[in-house]
Amino acid sequence: NAGVMQNPRHLVRRRGQEARLRCSPMKGHSHVYWYRQLPEEGLKFMVYLQKENIIDESGMPKERFSAEFPKEGPSILRIQQVVRGDSAAYFCASSPFGNDYGYTFGSGTRLTVV
Amino acid sequence: GENVEQHPSTLSVQEGDSAVIKCTYSDSASNYFPWYKQELGKRPQLIIDIRSNVGEKKDQRIAVTLNKTAKHFSLHITETQPEDSAVYFCAALNNNDMRFGAGTRLTVKP
Repeated sequence: NAGVMQNPRHLVRRRGQEARLRCSPMKGHSHVYWYRQLPEEGLKFMVYLQKENIIDESGMPKERFSAEFPKEGPSILRIQQVVRGDSAAYFCASSPFGNDYGYTFGSGTRLTVV
Repeated sequence: GENVEQHPSTLSVQEGDSAVIKCTYSDSASNYFPWYKQELGKRPQLIIDIRSNVGEKKDQRIAVTLNKTAKHFSLHITETQPEDSAVYFCAALNNNDMRFGAGTRLTVKP
């Protein structure tokens, strides 16, 4: 089991470009969570998804940010028209349905906006 | 939704001393409380967890206590070592919704 896979590990974008962050959950996990970690800060909840459904997006900025978890393929966190303030580490975690012990983080994507 | 508060934000101890990190949560329905250790540039790693039907759990030098009535839980690290230096996050889970504290940066001085 390869664990939670995130790619790319590092992503550099110029202001105004789009950033796409991918997260492949652990095998058998149907719940995906995205967190943002600003430099020297904690983990901020962004969005919680199950296959083809957004369950809770209360932590997502209202504009420019979107997330999906299609029936096939990885979960995607998409940031349009990136700004300097979007520079952060974005972590994905996954869990199997109804099982607390399976909550596992990926290695994160470090987004740098220049 | 759940709100988790964590204190202190920074903690510095001498090697061999104990370290205690405290968290409070707001939603009495939360039933699972993990602790994560995050070393610089790495992913958060689960180090210990406790469920709401248990008051205390210990794993070698690490222990966690839970007070459901007061809605707070604590991480205790005894005989600290320099490799314990990291950022520690507490979390509370309610119905597949995990919320984290702001983190505690622990520094263990040799």
